[in-house]
Amino acid sequence: EDKVVQSPLSLVVHEGDTVTLNCSYEVTNFRSLLWYKQEKKAPTFLFMLTSSGIEKKSGRLSSILDKKELFSILNITATQTGDSAVYLCAVHGSSNTGKLIFGQGTTLQVKP
Amino acid sequence: DTGVSQDPRHKITKRGQNVTFRCDPISEHNRLYWYRQTLGQGPEFLTYFQNEAQLEKSRLLSDRFSAERPKGSFSTLEIQRTEQGDSAMYLCASSLKAADAYNEQFFGPGTRLTVL
Repeated sequence: EDKVVQSPLSLVVHEGDTVTLNCSYEVTNFRSLLWYKQEKKAPTFLFMLTSSGIEKKSGRLSSILDKKELFSILNITATQTGDSAVYLCAVHGSSNTGKLIFGQGTTLQVKP
Repeated sequence: DTGVSQDPRHKITKRGQNVTFRCDPISEHNRLYWYRQTLGQGPEFLTYFQNEAQLEKSRLLSDRFSAERPKGSFSTLEIQRTEQGDSAMYLCASSLKAADAYNEQFFGPGTRLTVL
């Protein structure tokens, strides 16, 4: 059965700190891994990763995939209170439909 | 607004009633997904359409749930004889089919269902 596990489940940091969020997965036919940010509404897309070792970057956020060890990390540098959210990791499942299998999410709280 | 839209945003109903939700995907997207999210959990897949064809349904989707996408554009999700365990956020997402890969999915704002 396809599975995605995120850690930690929650994290509290202060503005300016750097955080690393972890995502490990087990999927029979890996195609891609996605990161989403969810505030009190729908998930918003951050990154999609398909190749190992290639870092994707957007401002203070970056992510990388390791297909050998079956994990990904999401880094946020110089955190701001606006980064407070649930960060969701998902993989495309083994079926041919492109459905996403999500982890439980990491709740990040950034204190001023 | 060219994003995914859902209606209603909130629905409160009594146990045993039927409810219907609507999703309008991004206009050029041919793939449409329904997910359910409960508090503290990530979204769980319910069902998938490519154009008007429903190609996969999760085991989570009991026979009280039915979904349609009659013209390959908007979709509806109906829950019959609602139960308290159906209380959740129902999310719709859409994406554009790629040749041999999967594009990112864009999510709507969700419909929050509360069954009393």
